[in-house]
Amino acid sequence: DADVTQTPRNRITKTGKRIMLECSQTKGHDRMYWYRQDPGLGLRLIYYSFDVKDINKGEISDGYSVSRQAQAKFSLSLESAIPNQTALYFCATSDVTGPYTGELFFGEGSRLTVL
Amino acid sequence: RKEVEQDPGPFNVPEGATVAFNCTYSNSASQSFFWYRQDCRKEPKLLMSVYSSGNEDGRFTAQLNRASQYISLLIRDSKLSDSATYLCVVISSGYSTLTFGKGTMLLVSP
Repeated sequence: DADVTQTPRNRITKTGKRIMLECSQTKGHDRMYWYRQDPGLGLRLIYYSFDVKDINKGEISDGYSVSRQAQAKFSLSLESAIPNQTALYFCATSDVTGPYTGELFFGEGSRLTVL
Repeated sequence: RKEVEQDPGPFNVPEGATVAFNCTYSNSASQSFFWYRQDCRKEPKLLMSVYSSGNEDGRFTAQLNRASQYISLLIRDSKLSDSATYLCVVISSGYSTLTFGKGTMLLVSP
């Protein structure tokens, strides 16, 4: 089983629908991140959390919210999905040395299409 | 100027060739630098760190030029399996989060 698991892996939805992407990890890491990847724009940070009580906005948080339910779980919500939120979403984790070692562990991605 | 810039490529090279990518960064206070590799439709994975003195890992060599604010990745004796997108990653002062470049695509052909 993957250390960082994202569900769903693929989702097609309609404009205005609420969507939740879930991430769970078995690595025991405190730090979790949500990125989105778009062709030509690369990976951009949406939200990150350094522990259960710590949530921080990233570069592009508008239109998104997150919940850190437990150390191992970090979910991303789109309250009212819009077409320009169509993207590949990655969850990632790191331990406290992550910013020093540069090592993030990514899930396999969730491909979201908003029609 | 974007914080981290890379030539998107693609770089098309034959097997056995040597290829190099550069990545420029805008924040002179940036502290740490890395290269990630991302295969098509897969998640990114750490390839190697970039140290001030330069470092080598097999066929891969990474270098940092602080004066000109760029890092480089050199791949020698390219293999078909090296075909991927290579992402430059920078951590700025504060050590909070990683900033990714858009990536450089490498295609190695037989």
